[in-house]
Amino acid sequence: DAGVIQSPRHEVTEMGQEVTLRCKPISGHNSLFWYRQTMMRGLELLIYFNNNVPIDDSGMPEDRFSAKMPNASFSTLKIQPSEPRDSAVYFCASSFYVLGGLAIGEQFFGPGTRLTVL
Amino acid sequence: KNQVEQSPQSLIILEGKNCTLQCNYTVSPFSNLRWYKQDTGRGPVSLTIMTFSENTKSNGRYTATLDADTKQSSLHITASQLSDSASYICVVSASRGGTASKLTFGTGTRLQVTL
Repeated sequence: DAGVIQSPRHEVTEMGQEVTLRCKPISGHNSLFWYRQTMMRGLELLIYFNNNVPIDDSGMPEDRFSAKMPNASFSTLKIQPSEPRDSAVYFCASSFYVLGGLAIGEQFFGPGTRLTVL
Repeated sequence: KNQVEQSPQSLIILEGKNCTLQCNYTVSPFSNLRWYKQDTGRGPVSLTIMTFSENTKSNGRYTATLDADTKQSSLHITASQLSDSASYICVVSASRGGTASKLTFGTGTRLQVTL
């Protein structure tokens, strides 16, 4: 298995532009997580999906951020319009989890997308 | 408010030496605690995961301990190697009944192993 795949690996854009980050989870996993990492705040969970359904989006910073998971093998995180303070590394992770189960399965992280908003 | 605090913030040790990283949490109700290793420029990789009933778990030269009473965990690295240079992140899950757990992240300890 190729692991979690993210694209692009690097993105440089200008303030006000729309940015779309993409993620392909590990085949067979049913949970997908989007994280943001900065030096100041460390890793922050933005949103996660279980069986393609958003379960908790309380970490999404504001309405400029949106995430979709149209099927089990693809998810997007969109920022519109982007701002310089959105500059960070965005990670996608996947795992196998059963709602009501005793524990979340191990999460496997992708390589991340480094976003720079000028 | 759920919080995870890690110490030290950064650490430099000589190759071959042992070290211990600390994680204190105030997460309730506790579900599990994980340690991740994150190499520069890469995503975190899971080292260990421990539930309430587990006191210690090893993964090669990495040994994690958990004291659920004092809400403390440690990650001990034995005979450090240059490849151990990374950030180590403690993550604690709070159970929420029938829904998936809420994760609280520490800010990490940056370890540098030198010759």
